Amino acid sequence: DAMVIQNPRYQVTQFGKPVTLSCSQTLNHNVMYWYQQKSSQAPKLLFHYYDKDFNNEADTPDNFQSRRPNTSFCFLDIRSPGLGDAAMYLCATSRDRAWQETQYFGPGTRLLVL
Amino acid sequence: RKEVEQDPGPFNVPEGATVAFNCTYSNSASQSFFWYRQDCRKEPKLLMSVYSSGNEDGRFTAQLNRASQYISLLIRDSKLSDSATYLCVVNDGDSGYALNFGKGTSLLVTP
Repeated sequence: DAMVIQNPRYQVTQFGKPVTLSCSQTLNHNVMYWYQQKSSQAPKLLFHYYDKDFNNEADTPDNFQSRRPNTSFCFLDIRSPGLGDAAMYLCATSRDRAWQETQYFGPGTRLLVL
Repeated sequence: RKEVEQDPGPFNVPEGATVAFNCTYSNSASQSFFWYRQDCRKEPKLLMSVYSSGNEDGRFTAQLNRASQYISLLIRDSKLSDSATYLCVVNDGDSGYALNFGKGTSLLVTP
């Protein structure tokens, strides 16, 4: 059974048109993360929620925002997508925010910006 | 300096071969270490955690050398289905929870 679900799997948007990516989890984990992975590169952490507490990475552009309305769902909003934002966006969860916790990844949403 | 460095490969090996991947990390405060497997256009999936004493899971053996800040993954008796990218992942020694990923090592197992 899927534990971390991402929708849609593929998203096409236009340059500058806001887009929202969705992630849900059935694990009841406290922490939800969003990563960006560009072609042939390592996943890069954008931000994470620890329960309701939002934590932005220092180099995440302001164009990227996130919402977590409840434990199960987390959204990634890209306010004005640029061509450089085309990437795979990975959602991950962990039970807690500690060094020994395993992160579980969803299947990802591949974003194409035209 | 990159946090986690891996040889990108590709490693092309015949079925049945033994192959080893290496990884180095820069932050001596890191405490948890993982190997993830990522198939083309799919999400990373945890292959195994890496413990100080080394650990084995079937055909896969992981080793950690904290003094040298070095991690390895050995795959014995390679199968066609082992073809994938193997990501070395290390927790951020400063924040604790954040993961630093290597760019991955590509493995292609051929008949």
